[in-house]
Amino acid sequence: DAGVIQSPRHEVTEMGQEVTLRCKPISGHNSLFWYRQTMMRGLELLIYFNNNVPIDDSGMPEDRFSAKMPNASFSTLKIQPSEPRDSAVYFCASSSQTGHTEAFFGQGTRLTVV
Amino acid sequence: QQQVKQSPQSLIVQKGGISIINCAYENTAFDYFPWYQQFPGKGPALLIAIRPDVSEKKEGRFTISFNKSAKQFSLHIMDSQPGDSATYFCAASDSNYQLIWGAGTKLIIKP
Repeated sequence: DAGVIQSPRHEVTEMGQEVTLRCKPISGHNSLFWYRQTMMRGLELLIYFNNNVPIDDSGMPEDRFSAKMPNASFSTLKIQPSEPRDSAVYFCASSSQTGHTEAFFGQGTRLTVV
Repeated sequence: QQQVKQSPQSLIVQKGGISIINCAYENTAFDYFPWYQQFPGKGPALLIAIRPDVSEKKEGRFTISFNKSAKQFSLHIMDSQPGDSATYFCAASDSNYQLIWGAGTKLIIKP
């Protein structure tokens, strides 16, 4: 299995632009997480999907952030409009179980907003 | 109550030595304790995990020791190698989906 696949690996965008990050979870996994990692705040859970349904989005910083999971094999995290403080590494993770048990992370997308 | 406190923040160990990273928690509802290893530019990778019904779990050179009464758990890396140099995160989860992360320990193994 190729693991959790994220794209793009790197994204540089100008403030105010829309950014879309993509994630393909491991086949058969029914839990999906979006995380953000920064030096200051460490790993922050943004949103958790189970069976394609958003269970908890309380970690989403503000309305500029949105996430979708239209099917079991694809999820997106969108930031519109982007701001410099959104610069971070965004990770997607998936698990075959409810919750974080045996969760596998993707390689991440390094987002830089200038 | 939801915090997981991890120490030390950074650790330097000679090659062949034992690396020890400690974590402490307060929430007695936690029932899953994983350790993740993260190399620069990579995502966290699940290294080893334990549930509170056992006091120790070993996988190769990596061992988790778990002390339920003290609400502490630790990662021991035996015969530490330069390739083990990475950032290590402990975490804890209850029957809910939330995973509470430690702040991380940057481990450097000196050749």
